[in-house]
Amino acid sequence: DAKTTQPNSMESNEEEPVHLPCNHSTISGTDYIHWYRQLPSQGPEYVIHGLTSNVNNRMASLAIAEDRKSSTLILHRATLRDAAVYYCILSDNNAGNMLTFGGGTRLMVKP
Amino acid sequence: KAGVTQTPRYLIKTRGQQVTLSCSPISGHRSVSWYQQTPGQGLQFLFEYFSETQRNKGNFPGRFSGRQFSNSRSEMNVSTLELGDSALYLCASRVWTSGNEQFFGPGTRLTVL
Repeated sequence: DAKTTQPNSMESNEEEPVHLPCNHSTISGTDYIHWYRQLPSQGPEYVIHGLTSNVNNRMASLAIAEDRKSSTLILHRATLRDAAVYYCILSDNNAGNMLTFGGGTRLMVKP
Repeated sequence: KAGVTQTPRYLIKTRGQQVTLSCSPISGHRSVSWYQQTPGQGLQFLFEYFSETQRNKGNFPGRFSGRQFSNSRSEMNVSTLELGDSALYLCASRVWTSGNEQFFGPGTRLTVL
């Protein structure tokens, strides 16, 4: 499985944008880039995913580098409820969409 | 739509016993995956079922098994429990299409004494 590298933790101020980086230098052409987050005492929650182009949804934006070896999850205005562990995951199109979670980035949001 | 539901939410067992956990997917979702989450190993994939057939399997011993019923509900079973099986067991459902998002349940917290 292709692996991802994320910082262990990041801090942000409330109502400011947050850029969460992810490196995936061994990504293959069929790998989707997924982001999930896990709030305390809850199961993971889907945030966004993409293949080659940048993606936007109501929760966040996903910026994918042209060579696809890195990506950035952008939360446009962090709130206290965004404090969670954010996981960047590669999922092989041909592997039944099995998700291989790494350590993730623990995002702390300061009021 | 109702979300993914898992029962029971909490469970305490002793070593050597077996346990069965249940997962009801979101209506219309025919794929169900199971994950184990521990502080030491993080989130690890156990297996995925679609149309009552196991489609993918993670690197877990044979004591971990599962099945899926015709209504897409799934169960996982762990036999001969060990202390190290104490974990949060998460179930996720999705539409069976590549790249689609998975929806996770709240998990079952299993404690093995």
